[in-house]
Amino acid sequence: DIVMTQSPDSLAVSLGERATINCKSSQSVLSSSNNLNYLAWYQQKPGQPPKVLIYWASSRESGVPDRFSGSGSGTDFTLTISSLQAEDVAVYYCQQYYNTPPWTFGQGTKVEIK
Amino acid sequence: QVQLQESGPGLVKPSQTLSLTCNVSGGSISSGGYYWNWIRQHPGKGLEWIGYINYNGSTYYNPSLKSRITISVDTSKNQFSLKMSSVTAADTAVYYCARGVGVWGQGTLVTVSS
Repeated sequence: DIVMTQSPDSLAVSLGERATINCKSSQSVLSSSNNLNYLAWYQQKPGQPPKVLIYWASSRESGVPDRFSGSGSGTDFTLTISSLQAEDVAVYYCQQYYNTPPWTFGQGTKVEIK
Repeated sequence: QVQLQESGPGLVKPSQTLSLTCNVSGGSISSGGYYWNWIRQHPGKGLEWIGYINYNGSTYYNPSLKSRITISVDTSKNQFSLKMSSVTAADTAVYYCARGVGVWGQGTLVTVSS
């Protein structure tokens, strides 16, 4: 199984400041056939299902504010919130959906306001 | 706009079989080449991928649960289902259905208790 490890487990950022979450996979999730990284980022607020923010590592889902961006390739990925807003307080998960399942999630990163 | 809705008993006795259904509205479950997933989240914990059934009826299960689960699809009702046998308290969780990485149901809490 591909193990997904996020860092940090939690972070506190001032409003308007940048938040950066890292996700590392135990093996590459980059497909050589189509040059796509099979990596998604989700936001989950209390009592709600996860909401996809980013797929293919860097493609923003329709309707997601452009302060959210994804980057990285292979085994190392980053979700960046360029200017943290109060409504961004949530837990963020990365997920790999590469090739043969299981499609594993990171352990989650809790983002709070400093 | 595709929407997913989970349904099933909220309380299941230990050793019994948990049965959940995901109703798909706003689109056909048979079209689009999608993967129809079940994911669960233990109380206060992270996300665990359970398995999927894909567009041609093939299934893939999390090896940690494989011996106890069956995912099936009923195209006439535009829904897919999860059955998990021999449940224990450790199976108490919110169960989500999802289409690929993009569309999730609201989730349903299943408690295993006598």
